[in-house]
Amino acid sequence: AQTVTQSQPEMSVQEAETVTLSCTYDTSESNYYLFWYKQPPSRQMILVIRQEAYKQQNATENRFSVNFQKAAKSFSLKISDSQLGDTAMYFCAFLDRDDKIIFGKGTRLHILP
Amino acid sequence: DGGITQSPKYLFRKEGQNVTLSCEQNLNHDAMYWYRQDPGQGLRLIYYSQIVNDFQKGDIAEGYSVSREKKESFPLTVTSAQKNPTAFYLCASSPYRGFHEQYFGPGTRLTVT
Repeated sequence: AQTVTQSQPEMSVQEAETVTLSCTYDTSESNYYLFWYKQPPSRQMILVIRQEAYKQQNATENRFSVNFQKAAKSFSLKISDSQLGDTAMYFCAFLDRDDKIIFGKGTRLHILP
Repeated sequence: DGGITQSPKYLFRKEGQNVTLSCEQNLNHDAMYWYRQDPGQGLRLIYYSQIVNDFQKGDIAEGYSVSREKKESFPLTVTSAQKNPTAFYLCASSPYRGFHEQYFGPGTRLTVT
């Protein structure tokens, strides 16, 4: 069975700094998708970024980028020039071939003014 | 304006009562999902449906029931058999057949006393 592990339950960084959130996963599949979702205090889940496993190029979305290491089964999220609005829970997620998403337990990120 | 709606945002019930949570989407998505979120647990899949009149159990289906009579609606009933029903419930949808991210509703906070 697929598993997703986020080893950092909570992190704090100063505004404008760069922060990296870690995620590892376990699967025997060769083709899959990975996501990072953000859940701000409103609790609305928002897709931050997606990565297709067959693409070697790391996905980027403005200040958000990933470091996807397929062989190591690692999928970290880097937030550059962090802003107060980035304060949220961040979930790493794996989409399997049955269209089911497995979520990690999340990392609570605090951006400090 | 397309999206997923969940109502109500907050719901209070007495122990022993069944309660139904609403989820509606106008995105024309085939697949719909129900998740439960508890502190420190991430999101856990309760039920999912990939087509009208069909649904499958997720990881924690005991004490819950669903129906999928219309493409746009996927109500979740929390029965009195659910031992710890107090939680935050999230509904999501996605296009089926292919790798797609899920889009989430705003959630319902259920409190049972």
